[in-house]
Amino acid sequence: ETGVTQTPRHLVMGMTNKKSLKCEQHLGHNAMYWYKQSAKKPLELMFVYNFKEQTENNSVPSRFSPECPNSSHLFLHLHTLQPEDSALYLCASSQEQGQETQYFGPGTRLLVL
Amino acid sequence: DQQVKQNSPSLSVQEGRISILNCDYTNSMFDYFLWYKKYPAEGPTFLISISSIKDKNEDGRFTVFLNKSAKHLSLHIVPSQPGDSAVYFCAERSNYKLTFGKGTLLTVNP
Repeated sequence: ETGVTQTPRHLVMGMTNKKSLKCEQHLGHNAMYWYKQSAKKPLELMFVYNFKEQTENNSVPSRFSPECPNSSHLFLHLHTLQPEDSALYLCASSQEQGQETQYFGPGTRLLVL
Repeated sequence: DQQVKQNSPSLSVQEGRISILNCDYTNSMFDYFLWYKKYPAEGPTFLISISSIKDKNEDGRFTVFLNKSAKHLSLHIVPSQPGDSAVYFCAERSNYKLTFGKGTLLTVNP
């Protein structure tokens, strides 16, 4: 497996469910990112981890909870989401935080009912 | 208000002709601009970048032009190929963060 992988690729959940998105990178990078892309909106940065430490939280609601157990894995735990949270969630990595070349996973398409 | 604007949601071009994708920005304190390409069901992939100290960067069929006085950059693809059909995002890097535009869907017709 190479590059950045994300699971699941599609997820449908109710507002009372708890689910997690997983991201794994096989590039030896030290920085990982969560982005959200809603319909007809630009990609929005949510969280940044650099060497497993969270360095950026872009005013994301607490119903989104990231976890970075090591430099290769990044999770996004979801609970009590709202329908407006339905979006494409993209994970990315780079050698270190701020490098212009970020490598993206294919994304998880999330639908909240 | 959007910091990075791609005002054309879509563009259609004939194979072999030039594709010009445009991007306007408001923040002058950037250090790089980048272009990413995205195919359906895939994540964005890095295409080409330009440093704030340059006005042109070329890589094969792809050239990016930066006009700082107009706060405008453009991506030229020549000649365009059907495989170039994708959504193109411009992104600004400042304070070690990327800010993306909404994207432009390019369709190259055979």
